[in-house]
Amino acid sequence: DGGITQSPKYLFRKEGQNVTLSCEQNLNHDAMYWYRQDPGQGLRLIYYSQIVNDFQKGDIAEGYSVSREKKESFPLTVTSAQKNPTAFYLCASTRRTGSSFNQPQHFGDGTRLSIL
Amino acid sequence: GENVEQHPSTLSVQEGDSAVIKCTYSDSASNYFPWYKQELGKRPQLIIDIRSNVGEKKDQRIAVTLNKTAKHFSLHITETQPEDSAVYFCAARSGGSNYKLTFGKGTLLTVNP
Repeated sequence: DGGITQSPKYLFRKEGQNVTLSCEQNLNHDAMYWYRQDPGQGLRLIYYSQIVNDFQKGDIAEGYSVSREKKESFPLTVTSAQKNPTAFYLCASTRRTGSSFNQPQHFGDGTRLSIL
Repeated sequence: GENVEQHPSTLSVQEGDSAVIKCTYSDSASNYFPWYKQELGKRPQLIIDIRSNVGEKKDQRIAVTLNKTAKHFSLHITETQPEDSAVYFCAARSGGSNYKLTFGKGTLLTVNP
């Protein structure tokens, strides 16, 4: 969807380096999500945020960190503690309906991270 | 937590045939089941979804069925075309307050001309 922008498209990380992946949305969605995709593994949830200044760990949060200082932005930092960071990273967002987030998730184009 | 199993992992059909992909889920409180299509190197795109108060939903050549008792749901594509070739993911959203989506591992569908 054109409303979710991920950058960069490709990123290379050196040993011991932290890198930050950007995710911006102009859909006025409340919730944002980060997924990691490996071949044959489907999409695995790293972190998610349902409201500004609040976020929760997903299933594979170790070695990653996030922030949600603005509604439209949810950057993901891959730290040096993540020993196997090579993957395709997808950001998604969804809107709230009343007290529910039971709406479709829309994805960005992804960032492919590789180790140098 | 929720666990979603998806089968088959690969599926090859002839153009014009039907394709069926099946998923099972573990959490009986899950209430929303989307299907995504992902072409190589691109973002997943929602193709159809179904909520737990409905047993079947159809959109042109695509249909999804849900059996809450058995905790499984299926994607049906009729009259397949080469452009249907992609990886398809099912997902289930847990009830409660976190509304997380749990994805299956995907099915690579190849439609041969």
